Amino acid sequence: DAKTTQPPSMDCAEGRAANLPCNHSTISGNEYVYWYRQIHSQGPQYIIHGLKNNETNEMASLIITEDRKSSTLILPHATLRDTAVYYCIVRVQGAQKLVFGQGTRLTINP
Amino acid sequence: EAGVAQSPRYKIIEKRQSVAFWCNPISGHATLYWYQQILGQGPKLLIQFQNNGVVDDSQLPKDRFSAERLKGVDSTLKIQPAKLEDSAVYLCASSFGPSGTGWYEQYFGPGTRLTVT
Repeated sequence: DAKTTQPPSMDCAEGRAANLPCNHSTISGNEYVYWYRQIHSQGPQYIIHGLKNNETNEMASLIITEDRKSSTLILPHATLRDTAVYYCIVRVQGAQKLVFGQGTRLTINP
Repeated sequence: EAGVAQSPRYKIIEKRQSVAFWCNPISGHATLYWYQQILGQGPKLLIQFQNNGVVDDSQLPKDRFSAERLKGVDSTLKIQPAKLEDSAVYLCASSFGPSGTGWYEQYFGPGTRLTVT
C-alpha cells in the first residue's frame, strides 16, 4: 500500500470548515483513498473514501487532486465532537487490510 | 444494530503473566481483525480471520501472541508471557465481506487497554 503524509496536528474554530490535507504521491491507479477518525477512547470510525472523483456524504467531503497525489478531507461545519485523530489511508481495491499512519490530531476550539 | 463488543475494557498485569481478550463481532460479519495500538501511534493489524480461518497473521508475534476464532464468531487474543512493550490498546474490528470481493467497512470496538507493569 502507498504511504501517506499528514500534518501531526491542526486546530479549527467551531462552526468553521476544517480542511485536513493528505499527501499520497506514490499512489497507484487501483488504490483508493480512505479516511477514518478516532475519537478519544474509541475505536476508529469510517468517514469516506474515493478513487479519483470528489465524494460527499453526511459526514464530510473528499477532494482528490487530478493527479491523485494528494487529497483533502473537509468537515464543512466543525463541532467540538469532531475533535479526533484523522487517518488518511491508501488501500488497494478489494484488500481488507488497513495500514494506519500516525494521522492528524484535529482540535476544534470553541 | 449492536456494535463490536470487547472485554475487558481495562487490564493491568505484571510482566511474564498471561492475559486474554475477548471480541464479539457484529452479527453476520465474516471477517474479524485484531489491531494493536501503542500510545501515540495508529493501530497496527495483528491478525485477520475470514470466518474461522486465518487470512493474515504476518504481524503477530507468534512466540507470545495467539488468537483463535472458534465457529467463526467470537474471538480471543492471548498474550503469554506479557512484556512491558505489550502495553497498548487492543482493538477488535469486523466487516461483512471476505477479502477480494469488494470493500466492506470495518467497524471497530472500543478496545481493551492493557498495562503491563
